[in-house]
Amino acid sequence: ELKVEQNPLFLSMQEGKNYTIYCNYSTTSDRLYWYRQDPGKSLESLFVLLSNGAVKQEGRLMASLDTKARLSTLHITAAVHDLSATYFCAVDSGGSEKLVFGKGTKLTVNP
Amino acid sequence: DVKVTQSSRYLVKRTGEKVFLECVQDMDHENMFWYRQDPGLGLRLIYFSYDVKMKEKGDIPEGYSVSREKKERFSLILESASTNQTSMYLCASSFRTLQHFGDGTRLSIL
Repeated sequence: ELKVEQNPLFLSMQEGKNYTIYCNYSTTSDRLYWYRQDPGKSLESLFVLLSNGAVKQEGRLMASLDTKARLSTLHITAAVHDLSATYFCAVDSGGSEKLVFGKGTKLTVNP
Repeated sequence: DVKVTQSSRYLVKRTGEKVFLECVQDMDHENMFWYRQDPGLGLRLIYFSYDVKMKEKGDIPEGYSVSREKKERFSLILESASTNQTSMYLCASSFRTLQHFGDGTRLSIL
């Protein structure tokens, strides 16, 4: 059974700092997704990572995938308040079109 | 852009009522999903459908059923609502696993 673990679950950081969110998963998969959720809102797709070594960047966020280590990272560079949200990773469970989601990382960026 | 529309943003119902949550997508996607989201528990899959009239149980199907009579519409049914079904419900549709989510329905059962 595929399990997805994110850490940390809560992250409070100052504006201007860098940090990384980690997403580990338990069985082989080469498709991983990152989503963002603002309070009271739905999930918005951020990145789609489809192969080992994939790296995607959008503004201050960069996501990467290492399928051999079963690890994805979401790196935040020079954080700003607008990045405050909950970030989820989700892993393709293989063959069934289902995704297994991590529990989410609630990021708070303080001035 | 994909649009997934859930019929209500907020809904209040009473214990024992039969509740229908509706979801419509406009991209001809084969797959549709219903999740519930609770604090500390993340997203949990209730049911999903990979074609019209086809459905599969997710991780927490008890107390729920679904209907997919047309490709674009996927309904979640609470047969006899209970207070422990108070939650945020999210619908999603997908083609090749990238899921697109609706705005969610916050359901309160009193």
